[in-house]
This record gives sequence, C-alpha cells and structure tokens, in this order.
Amino acid sequence: AQSVAQPEDQVNVAEGNPLTVKCTYSVSGNPYLFWYVQYPNRGLQFLLKYITGDNLVKGSYGFEAEFNKSQTSFHLKKPSALVSDSALYFCAVRWGSGGYQKVTFGTGTKLQVIP
Amino acid sequence: DSGVTQTPKHLITATGQRVTLRCSPRSGDLSVYWYQQSLDQGLQFLIQYYNGEERAKGNILERFSAQQFPDLHSELNLSSLELGDSALYFCASSEGPEPGEQYFGPGTRLTVT
Repeated sequence: AQSVAQPEDQVNVAEGNPLTVKCTYSVSGNPYLFWYVQYPNRGLQFLLKYITGDNLVKGSYGFEAEFNKSQTSFHLKKPSALVSDSALYFCAVRWGSGGYQKVTFGTGTKLQVIP
Repeated sequence: DSGVTQTPKHLITATGQRVTLRCSPRSGDLSVYWYQQSLDQGLQFLIQYYNGEERAKGNILERFSAQQFPDLHSELNLSSLELGDSALYFCASSEGPEPGEQYFGPGTRLTVT
C-alpha cells in the first residue's frame, strides 16, 4: 500500500540549533515527495519537492530535504531553527499509475522552536 | 496569499442539514482538490477535478459531492450532516492534471451541532 509516515508527533528544538523532521514512505515505482507547512489557522504552504536528480533538495525559508532511496526517507532539515519556524509540517507522497495519480499526506509533525 | 479563495470562512449548521463550500483556484490552475482536516483523521484527500472533469477520488463519503464549473471554480456539497463531519475543509489548486505542488486556500471551518 502507498503510504507516508511521520514517526514523531512533535519535535522540540532550541532556537539556533539544527532541526530535522522525519518522513518515511512506501510507494511502488519512483516516488514524488513533498513537504508542506501549516501555520495556525492557515492553509498548507508548499515548501519543497523531490522528483528526480540531486538527493538534496532546497526549498523555501531555508529548508532543505534529503532523499534517501535505500532508507525510503525524505527528512526535512534546517541548519538553524527560528522561533517563527514553529508550525505543523506535513510530508506527502504522490502515487498511482498511468494518468491518474493521488497524493497522500502524513499525519503531520508539530515543530516547536524554543527561544 | 496563495491566490486560492474559499468561502465561507466559518459555517455552523445542524445535523441533517446540507451545506455548500465554494473554492476559486489560483489564476491559471486547472486542477482543484478538496481535503478534510480533522484532529482524529488528519488531512484526508476527498476528490480532485481537472478542467471540469472528476480526476481522482479519495475518501469521499457518498453524502458528499463536488463539481467544477466552466469558470473553474468548484463547490463541495455536504448533505445529511453528522457531528463527525465537523472539520476544516481545504481546497487546493495546481496547474496540470497530476498532483504536483499544490496551493491551498485558507479553509472553511464547518461546525455541525
């Protein structure tokens, strides 16, 4: 079955420290992977995506994600966390065959950056 | 601002009633997606329309239906509402028929009492 897992409900990190939000996936074929962020009372915002090519993908607001095929992971990272990064983060995978594809979102990870 | 608009922002209604949620996609986007976000179910994909045609279906209940009009705006109709339908309903849009990066609206918060 196609799925994406975010093993941590919440991640706490001190401001200025590096952060990692984990995501693993299970999909047949080559995965298309995404990260989105949701601030309180707002819709989701696209951060970055991996389709093919370089395993390190750079996105908005200084975030990057590393695609690891052998570990079926796509962890979100940032070298130095800001308090304003505190939000809910969703990993998503695109799956399907032929011309009809769908996106499945993970359950979300709440990132809390402590001043 | 994503460019996707949703109305209304809030909706309070009673069980058994029917409501319509409206979405206007970003200019130039032909795909519209509907999602339901609740505390216990997370973010659930409901349905996608592309250029007026149903493209993909997710966990959409039979009591729910959607359509996309020639001007590309979309409506999600929820009928015979139950308490468990209380949730945030998001619309998103993207350019093409396949779900690439999506642009989300601010959502409609539905409360069923």
